[in-house]
Amino acid sequence: DGGITQSPKYLFRKEGQNVTLSCEQNLNHDAMYWYRQDPGQGLRLIYYSQIVNDFQKGDIAEGYSVSREKKESFPLTVTSAQKNPTAFYLCASGTTGIGANTEAFFGQGTRLTVV
Amino acid sequence: AQSVTQLDSQVPVFEEAPVELRCNYSSSVSVYLFWYVQYPNQGLQLLLKYLSGSTLVKGINGFEAEFNKSQTSFHLRKPSVHISDTAEYFCAVSSSYTGTASKLTFGTGTRLQVTL
Repeated sequence: DGGITQSPKYLFRKEGQNVTLSCEQNLNHDAMYWYRQDPGQGLRLIYYSQIVNDFQKGDIAEGYSVSREKKESFPLTVTSAQKNPTAFYLCASGTTGIGANTEAFFGQGTRLTVV
Repeated sequence: AQSVTQLDSQVPVFEEAPVELRCNYSSSVSVYLFWYVQYPNQGLQLLLKYLSGSTLVKGINGFEAEFNKSQTSFHLRKPSVHISDTAEYFCAVSSSYTGTASKLTFGTGTRLQVTL
């Protein structure tokens, strides 16, 4: 089945540790996105990539890093510099062209808790 | 820059009653508009989208929305809700330019609570 796979579904991290969230897609999409979701705040864009080996900061990039070495993969690292990392993280992908299939497809999310 | 305002954080409604979830947007460029639904601890599923053409858009699960350019609104409606419609609903906007059409700006969400 085509789609986006995020892993793990739940993740616990000790303060001061870096942690990497996985996102893989087999939809052949050029663009991939990472969003953070907090109660009452909707989804906020962390980083996005429109092509392999290139990515841009979103609205809340501080304390996060990404890489895009393959078209299918866009991992997100939550670093120890992120002051409040406990949140629900959603990965998405989409086309960069304009057409009837313009939309973003989402993974099932990773819930990160700092303990 | 774009922004989305969802005026109601929660909407309680009885089963089989009609419902409208409000969404207004702000943008200096031409936009695409989307409604997504999220069930607890899950990702987002597309309900419907407006790209061009008819301003009345029909989506899945009996939902529809109307694009009103003069009022910069894209309200979501359903004539008769079901218990299973209880979820969080997000309105989103993107720029209609190549390269950024799937990069979404979201509202803060509306929690639809359907009761018997």
